[in-house]
Amino acid sequence: QKEVEQDPGPLSVPEGAIVSLNCTYSNSAFQYFMWYRQYSRKGPELLMYTYSSGNKEDGRFTAQVDKSSKYISLFIRDSQPSDSATYLCATDTGGFKTIFGAGTRLFVKA
Amino acid sequence: NAGVTQTPKFQVLKTGQSMTLQCAQDMNHEYMSWYRQDPGMGLRLIHYSVGAGITDQGEVPNGYNVSRSTTEDFPLRLLSAAPSQTSVYFCASSYKGQGTEQYFGPGTRLTVT
Repeated sequence: QKEVEQDPGPLSVPEGAIVSLNCTYSNSAFQYFMWYRQYSRKGPELLMYTYSSGNKEDGRFTAQVDKSSKYISLFIRDSQPSDSATYLCATDTGGFKTIFGAGTRLFVKA
Repeated sequence: NAGVTQTPKFQVLKTGQSMTLQCAQDMNHEYMSWYRQDPGMGLRLIHYSVGAGITDQGEVPNGYNVSRSTTEDFPLRLLSAAPSQTSVYFCASSYKGQGTEQYFGPGTRLTVT
């Protein structure tokens, strides 16, 4: 079993839709939770970062962590074609190793 | 700042050949890592370094060597290329290793025939 599980998709939605991206993890020691966005043929870039449980909002993006169920979510409101990318969840224990999910490919159609 | 730079962008090797993927950063970051990205597998950590002269293995280190003689550079060496090493390789750096933003380079696409 992978330490971080993520549905690879692809996920296709119309412009303006609310998008929900999810991951589950198995190690209860994980404390830091990140979402990276990766455009085609580019390196990943950090989108959202949260510590422990709770919500964090940044513009149209909301990251949610539920440590009791080991569930990580990213919500995108009013999705735009420019949001089309691969979204990778990531986590670590606070040490030197980050564990990434497989990434979910998102397509937002105009 | 150039951020994290990687060379080459593309490379084709024959089985058994060796080569070095270059990575450099100009942000004075202590932490640097090498990942490989394969379809459906996400990013997997190959090796990482917490400072000049200090390196350690990640999840998939076999067939790769690293060294860190300066803060800026972190080259990845393929000792004897195998088709299983066909992948996209990303170098990343961060100010701290734990729970902080990693800055990724543009990647090197490697094909081993």
